[in-house]
Amino acid sequence: EVQVLESGGGLVQPGGSLRLSCAASGFTFSSYAMTWVRQAPGKGLEWLSTISGSGGSTYYADSVKGRFTISRDNSKNTLYLQMSSLRDEDTAVYYCAKHLSGWYWFDYWGQGTLVTVSS
Amino acid sequence: QTVVTQEPSFSVSPGGTVTLTCGLSSGSVSTSYYPSWYQQTPGQAPRTLIYNTKSRSSGVPDRFSGSILGNKAALIITGAQADDECDYYCVLYMGSGIWVFGGGTKLTVL
Repeated sequence: EVQVLESGGGLVQPGGSLRLSCAASGFTFSSYAMTWVRQAPGKGLEWLSTISGSGGSTYYADSVKGRFTISRDNSKNTLYLQMSSLRDEDTAVYYCAKHLSGWYWFDYWGQGTLVTVSS
Repeated sequence: QTVVTQEPSFSVSPGGTVTLTCGLSSGSVSTSYYPSWYQQTPGQAPRTLIYNTKSRSSGVPDRFSGSILGNKAALIITGAQADDECDYYCVLYMGSGIWVFGGGTKLTVL
């Protein structure tokens, strides 16, 4: 059974840093691109970042470029999102999503982890 | 900045058919944007419904279908049921490793 499970969320002060993890199981992790998506309270979904299966290609939304870094450890079947210079508006539930075979679509989603940026 | 547009809200009667759309602030949606659709109930993770314009994800009932209608991607729900009442999001691939979600449609079944 395919599973992706996020962790690492919590309360952080503005300007601070946090690293999210997404543990994957039930599929050959290195064969699939992975993506981070977030949802601010009461708002819609926002695509943040995608990484190829090998980790060699990464892509970012303008809203997080230069502040967030996506990475993966295929030996540990784990996806990461390193977040720095956090702002109030980064407060959201952060989801990781596995891509379908093929680049363009997401299929399995985790349950999300809440990040709250507040002083 | 390209904006992906969706109806903010829509209502459908139980048993009825509803078409939700996904457009662009400038230009037309085609299959080259690889549209996909996601369903989300409050407090839950999104669930993939449709990918590649019209392919249903595993386990999705055939009441849900996707297509291109005119210059937009469309999600058609037939035989609407009470538990279809939730939020629906489309996402388009813009190329160069960039995806953009629509603002979502809140569907009411009443």
